[in-house]
Amino acid sequence: EDQVTQSPEALRLQEGESSSLNCSYTVSGLRGLFWYRQDPGKGPEFLFTLYSAGEEKEKERLKATLTKKESFLHITAPKPEDSATYLCAVQPLISNTGFQKLVFGTGTRLLVSP
Amino acid sequence: DAGVTQSPTHLIKTRGQHVTLRCSPISGHKSVSWYQQVLGQGPQFIFQYYEKEERGRGNFPDRFSARQFPNYSSELNVNALLLGDSALYLCASSLEWGLYGYTFGSGTRLTVV
Repeated sequence: EDQVTQSPEALRLQEGESSSLNCSYTVSGLRGLFWYRQDPGKGPEFLFTLYSAGEEKEKERLKATLTKKESFLHITAPKPEDSATYLCAVQPLISNTGFQKLVFGTGTRLLVSP
Repeated sequence: DAGVTQSPTHLIKTRGQHVTLRCSPISGHKSVSWYQQVLGQGPQFIFQYYEKEERGRGNFPDRFSARQFPNYSSELNVNALLLGDSALYLCASSLEWGLYGYTFGSGTRLTVV
């Protein structure tokens, strides 16, 4: 069964204190791995898609990396506005044409204090 | 361009009632997926529709049903509501069937009392 585990569940940082969020996954075949940001009461906001081990993507203070078993979201010098829940999801390889789905982890709640 | 639009934003229903949630995808997107997000959890896949046909279904009871219309908008229906159906219901649209990623709406917050 496809499974995604995120750690830590919650993370509290001081402004400027860099850290990393972890996403471990088990999937029979991986089409893609997605990172989303979710603010309270809102829908997930797309950040990155990674497709193959060794791939890296960056956006402002965020950098996502992918290995065969896990992905990391590195946050460099975070600001209070980076406070949110960060969700990781895998898109399994599915043979049925026209069918795709995402399998999400439970997320990491990040709080950045000034 | 408008994003994914969901209505209503909030809804309160009584146990046993029926509810219909609506979603308009991004213009040009042919696929709509529905997810349920219980508080403190990640979204769980309910349905995917592509070109007006159901393409996949998650592990949800038959009380949950959906359809996609010729204009690619979609409805999610839930019958015989239970307290455990209280959640944020998210709609995601994608170009083709998800090969190029998903854009989520802001969701409908359903509370069952």
